[in-house]
Amino acid sequence: DVVLTQSPVSLPVTLGQPASLSCRSGQSLVHSDGNTYLSWFHQRPGQSPRRLLYKVSYRDSGVPDKFSGSGSGTDFTLKISRVEAEDVGVYYCMQCTHWPPTFGPGTKVDIK
Amino acid sequence: EMQLLESGGGLVQPGGSLRLSCAASGFTFSSCEMSWVRLLPGKGLQWVSSIGLRAGYEFYADSVRGRFTISRDNSKNTVYLQMNSLQAEDTATYFCAKTIVWGNWRWDFDYWGQGTLVAVSS
Repeated sequence: DVVLTQSPVSLPVTLGQPASLSCRSGQSLVHSDGNTYLSWFHQRPGQSPRRLLYKVSYRDSGVPDKFSGSGSGTDFTLKISRVEAEDVGVYYCMQCTHWPPTFGPGTKVDIK
Repeated sequence: EMQLLESGGGLVQPGGSLRLSCAASGFTFSSCEMSWVRLLPGKGLQWVSSIGLRAGYEFYADSVRGRFTISRDNSKNTVYLQMNSLQAEDTATYFCAKTIVWGNWRWDFDYWGQGTLVAVSS
């Protein structure tokens, strides 16, 4: 199975400041069809995960544009342009280029 | 509005069984693949099982194959997870997820239910 590594494990952020989360894969996530199937999810405390981005950089419906995704091959980044209180929680990356789909261990974001 | 409502979790002894249900509304259930994903305490998310639109399209993680069975009833807009021979390592919150299939063996999860807690302990 493809192993995803996320860093940092924990990220304290000041309100209004940007945040950058990293996801690295043990192998390339570029599919033979040319797409890269890397998604990002946000799980607030006590809630279910919500997908934010798919195929690296496509935002899901209703996701504010303060969230952006980038990267290629094995290295990917989720950026939050200005962190708000509602952004706390755990962020997971997930790949489905290779079967089975696998998740990273998560980055916990909280407010300083 | 899309909704997924899981039920059936609880405390069970090792070796026991549970059947989880996930009732869907707000979208055309019969046209959507569905999956179960679990949140293992201290270990993060793990894909468990997925089901396609037709019989014979069921898929399982190695850790549950042979013990868990996924099924669906389109007349009830419900997906199930029958869990047998439960072990302590199966303790987790189980989420059902509406699934997007990008192509062969590329299954993504675009909407999740609130989850149901399964605790396996004597």
